[in-house]
Amino acid sequence: GAGVSQSPSNKVTEKGKDVELRCDPISGHTALYWYRQSLGQGLEFLIYFQGNSAPDKSGLPSDRFSAERTGGSVSTLTIQRTQQEDSAVYLCASSLGHGIGQPQHFGDGTRLSIL
Amino acid sequence: QQQVKQSPQSLIVQKGGISIINCAYENTAFDYFPWYQQFPGKGPALLIAIRPDVSEKKEGRFTISFNKSAKQFSLHIMDSQPGDSATYFCAASNAGGGADGLTFGKGTHLIIQP
Repeated sequence: GAGVSQSPSNKVTEKGKDVELRCDPISGHTALYWYRQSLGQGLEFLIYFQGNSAPDKSGLPSDRFSAERTGGSVSTLTIQRTQQEDSAVYLCASSLGHGIGQPQHFGDGTRLSIL
Repeated sequence: QQQVKQSPQSLIVQKGGISIINCAYENTAFDYFPWYQQFPGKGPALLIAIRPDVSEKKEGRFTISFNKSAKQFSLHIMDSQPGDSATYFCAASNAGGGADGLTFGKGTHLIIQP
């Protein structure tokens, strides 16, 4: 399809395991964003990529979280040594660039459950 | 510190009525204010957005009203339909996103009764 694609759509894993979430942005979109949506915190911005570069990683919740983007396209969000508080829906969005008039288009997210 | 405050948390409106959701922001550097609609199991979808140089923007049944001096903006849904039942989020950013991303309100769960 033409939209933002995220995989897996659902992931259940045991506490302490590592997980990798994937985002495939809309073709030609240079800007890519990761957000976390949880019941208590709403939608929370995590990190932004312009091309392959993430200028500010301070929004990542802890040093167990990392993200990368290669080839200016696919991005992965990795959570190491998962904790129960990491349970949430992880959303990816992309836009043509950043700036006024460049709307962010969201995927349907990965629902992560930590047992 | 919650930079975008959204109200009400939930709203029930009769079919054909007007749904009104309000947001207030604190950061005067914000210059882009979108509204997103989200259905269960789906990602947020952009409905309509406004910049602070205009006081109102209308697209079909959806209107944003913006009050820069009060740092408030609202979404009006005219002739509300059962298919409008969803969760609505207001958001704000500096220069459309970029390194700071979008700052979202907590959301409003809207139910349109037939």
